[in-house]
Amino acid sequence: GAGVSQSPRYKVAKRGQDVALRCDPISGHVSLFWYQQALGQGPEFLTYFQNEAQLDKSGLPSDRFFAERPEGSVSTLKIQRTQQEDSAVYLCASSPGYIQYFGAGTRLSVL
Amino acid sequence: GENVEQHPSTLSVQEGDSAVIKCTYSDSASNYFPWYKQELGKRPQLIIDIRSNVGEKKDQRIAVTLNKTAKHFSLHITETQPEDSAVYFCAAPTGSARQLTFGSGTQLTVLP
Repeated sequence: GAGVSQSPRYKVAKRGQDVALRCDPISGHVSLFWYQQALGQGPEFLTYFQNEAQLDKSGLPSDRFFAERPEGSVSTLKIQRTQQEDSAVYLCASSPGYIQYFGAGTRLSVL
Repeated sequence: GENVEQHPSTLSVQEGDSAVIKCTYSDSASNYFPWYKQELGKRPQLIIDIRSNVGEKKDQRIAVTLNKTAKHFSLHITETQPEDSAVYFCAAPTGSARQLTFGSGTQLTVLP
């Protein structure tokens, strides 16, 4: 079946612009995670959803970052007033239990 | 929270040789340890994982060992092939969401 799908794959934004990144998890997966991966580093946790409930947002770096999963399926990560330090790959993972399955990510470049 | 340290950061081996990557973790409550392989520009792909109730798990050329007392786990790849070249990440779960804390990665290069 289809894996985790993320769009767009690449996004270039001017500093100060708002961006929205989409994640389509594997159908039926209750858990959904967002991670941020800087160049040459491991992914770092941003936020977690169980169905539509955002149960942990302790990793969001500032109040410019916002995530939602209104119907317990597709999730959107929104970054307001983007800054250069937001440039990274944003990964989404979904899980039926222990194992997390990752999407290919959105590479965000803020100029 | 969890702290995961991974060594080495780069590893070059000749094709056919073995490769070993080591990780340590800090949270004694961690009970699940996955290893991911990430090729350039691609998604992290789970290659093997181990639960805390076993000490070793093997899948063809890949094995993972776990020492809960010492809080370390290792990835072993035997008979390496050029297609094994990638960045490998270890991880351990933490927090109420069991989100993964990743090591800093090992760039494995298999020389033909």
